Amino acid sequence: QVQLVQSGAEVKKPGASVKVSCKASGYSFTTYGVTWVRQAPGQGLQWMGHISTHNGDKNYAQRLQDRIIMTTDTSTMTAYMELRSLRSDDTAVYYCARDFRGGRVTDYWGQGTLVTVSS
Amino acid sequence: DIQMTQSPSSLSASVGDRVTITCRAGQNIGSFLNWYQQKPGKAPNLLMYTASTLQSGVPSRFSGGGAGTEFTLTISSLQPEDFATYYCQQTYSSPFTFGPGTKVTI
Repeated sequence: QVQLVQSGAEVKKPGASVKVSCKASGYSFTTYGVTWVRQAPGQGLQWMGHISTHNGDKNYAQRLQDRIIMTTDTSTMTAYMELRSLRSDDTAVYYCARDFRGGRVTDYWGQGTLVTVSS
Repeated sequence: DIQMTQSPSSLSASVGDRVTITCRAGQNIGSFLNWYQQKPGKAPNLLMYTASTLQSGVPSRFSGGGAGTEFTLTISSLQPEDFATYYCQQTYSSPFTFGPGTKVTI
């Protein structure tokens, strides 16, 4: 069955970086892309960006463009999202999701990774 | 960025009720509209894409409609497992923005 398993919770200081992993299984990894979405505590969903696992093309949310890097490792079927220069308002649960139609539809989601930014 | 709004922001309903949630886009997005259901502490679950295409495995009591700037998600007969927060998302242009959510409670 399709599964996306994310790395564990992180606590970071302001200004630091965090790298969240998302290991896929149960499907052909390069047939689908990966989308990242975050959710601050008690808040709604924020789309962060998409990466094609086929050719590495990326589409980042402009507001994060200077701080975010999405990568994939097809040999281990793992996607990564790194966010730099963390601020307190980056505290959120970060989700990866399998996507299709060029990143427009996300059908399977990881369990989420809580990233807490606090001094 | 395309702004998405939802109404109502919350609603109280009973099992068996017919419930409709409205989502409006700040500009014409064609049919590039998804609906998700989210329960507390869980990841979102895709219900509908391209406004009216039911995702595999989603019960047929869920239906979607609309195009352009106004969309609806209807639950024909609310079930206990449907009490959750519902989000729309436009995928017409990046960033693929979400609506603020509609919380459905008992």
